Amino acid sequence: GDSVTQMEGPVTLSEEAFLTINCTYTATGYPSLFWYVQYPGEGLQLLLKATKADDKGSNKGFEATYRKETTSFHLEKGSVQVSDSAVYFCALSDQWGSTLGRLYFGRGTQLTVWP
Amino acid sequence: DVKVTQSSRYLVKRTGEKVFLECVQDMDHENMFWYRQDPGLGLRLIYFSYDVKMKEKGDIPEGYSVSREKKERFSLILESASTNQTSMYLCASSSQTGTAGYLGAFFGQGTRLTVV
Repeated sequence: GDSVTQMEGPVTLSEEAFLTINCTYTATGYPSLFWYVQYPGEGLQLLLKATKADDKGSNKGFEATYRKETTSFHLEKGSVQVSDSAVYFCALSDQWGSTLGRLYFGRGTQLTVWP
Repeated sequence: DVKVTQSSRYLVKRTGEKVFLECVQDMDHENMFWYRQDPGLGLRLIYFSYDVKMKEKGDIPEGYSVSREKKERFSLILESASTNQTSMYLCASSSQTGTAGYLGAFFGQGTRLTVV
């Protein structure tokens, strides 16, 4: 079945450091891929998405490229800020079939950025 | 903006109680979902619904039921609450139609349920 594997945290960085959070997926069809962010005490917010191979999603300085050949969707940011401290979830969604719209999540990666 | 509202941020219930968690969305989305979130386990799907009065089991439906009598409202029911159901519960909604389906799901703020 469909599944997502992301690197385990926690990840601790200094401000302005480079961030990579690895995410790989297994899917039978052609999924859409997402990164969600969860700030303390809140629900999940969509950070970025990509719907087909080689698409690059980007938002708030974060980027991720849909790599079909390596089944990956790694999250990157060139210079993190303290305000980026949160839990990040990689997810995939079936695009059709009986489970249309269902999201499969990785276990989340806690990011802490120190000033 | 899409708004998904969960009726409570925090709840404390006793073992054996029947518990109702309510979720309302205001964007006319067809799909609605209930997840629970636990440390180290990520988000796990309990139930989902593609239409009014329709429901499908997710990965961990045991001990839960759902109700969707109106398109905008999706309720999660704990028939007899137990301590192992202490968790964060997240409701989400999404659209099926056309490219809007690729937007992914929009989440409520979560309900932290403690069963004592």
